Amino acid sequence: DGGITQSPKYLFRKEGQNVTLSCEQNLNHDAMYWYRQDPGQGLRLIYYSQIVNDFQKGDIAEGYSVSREKKESFPLTVTSAQKNPTAFYLCASRSGTGGLNTEAFFGQGTRLTVV
Amino acid sequence: AQSVTQPDIHITVSEGASLELRCNYSYGATPYLFWYVQSPGQGLQLLLKYFSGDTLVQGIKGFEAEFKRSQSSFNLRKPSVHWSDAAEYFCAVGASSYNTDKLIFGTGTRLQVFP
Repeated sequence: DGGITQSPKYLFRKEGQNVTLSCEQNLNHDAMYWYRQDPGQGLRLIYYSQIVNDFQKGDIAEGYSVSREKKESFPLTVTSAQKNPTAFYLCASRSGTGGLNTEAFFGQGTRLTVV
Repeated sequence: AQSVTQPDIHITVSEGASLELRCNYSYGATPYLFWYVQSPGQGLQLLLKYFSGDTLVQGIKGFEAEFKRSQSSFNLRKPSVHWSDAAEYFCAVGASSYNTDKLIFGTGTRLQVFP
C-alpha cells in the first residue's frame, strides 16, 4: 500500500541533543513538507521541498534542518538550537510540484518530548 | 496575507444532531480549499476539497461543505453526527508564495460528541 511512514512514533530527547525524525513515502510524490503541531496553534510549516536536492524554509525553520537526497525521503533534524522542541511533528507529501489543487497526504506523526 | 480562521476552538454536540464547523479564509485569488480530520495522536485525513464549479462539495463520511465567495467562507456540515466523528477538524487553503505552493491551515476545531 502506498503511503507515508514516519518513525519513530514517540521520541524522547535530552536537552542539548540533536535528533532526527524520519519520513519516507512511496507515493512517488515530488513535494514533501514538515509541519509542527502545538495545541491551539494548528499546523505550522517548518520546511518544504519541491524536488530532490532542493528545500526551502517555512514559517518556523529556526532550530531545524532537513535534507532531500532521495525523492522518497525527507528527514527532519531537530537541533539543540530549537529552544522548545516538544511538539507533534507531521510529514506530508503532494504529487507533482505540489500545485494548489492537489491534496496533501500525511504520515501518522512523531511526538517529540524533551526530558 | 493568506490566512485561515476557524473561530470555534471546541464544539460539543449530541450524537444524531447536525453539525456545522466554520471556516473563513483570506486569499486574493481563487481559493483552493480543503477540510482535514485528525483523530488523537494520528495524522490528517482529507475529508473534501473545493477547486471550482459547484459550490457545494461532498466528501467522505457523510460530510459536505459549501463555498461562499461573498462571505469568504467554507463551512463544513454533517446532518447527523456519529460518536466516531469526535476528532479535530482543520480547514486549509492552498496558497502560492514565491513560486511555491503550500497549504495554510487554520488552528482547528475540536469536536466532542455526547451519546
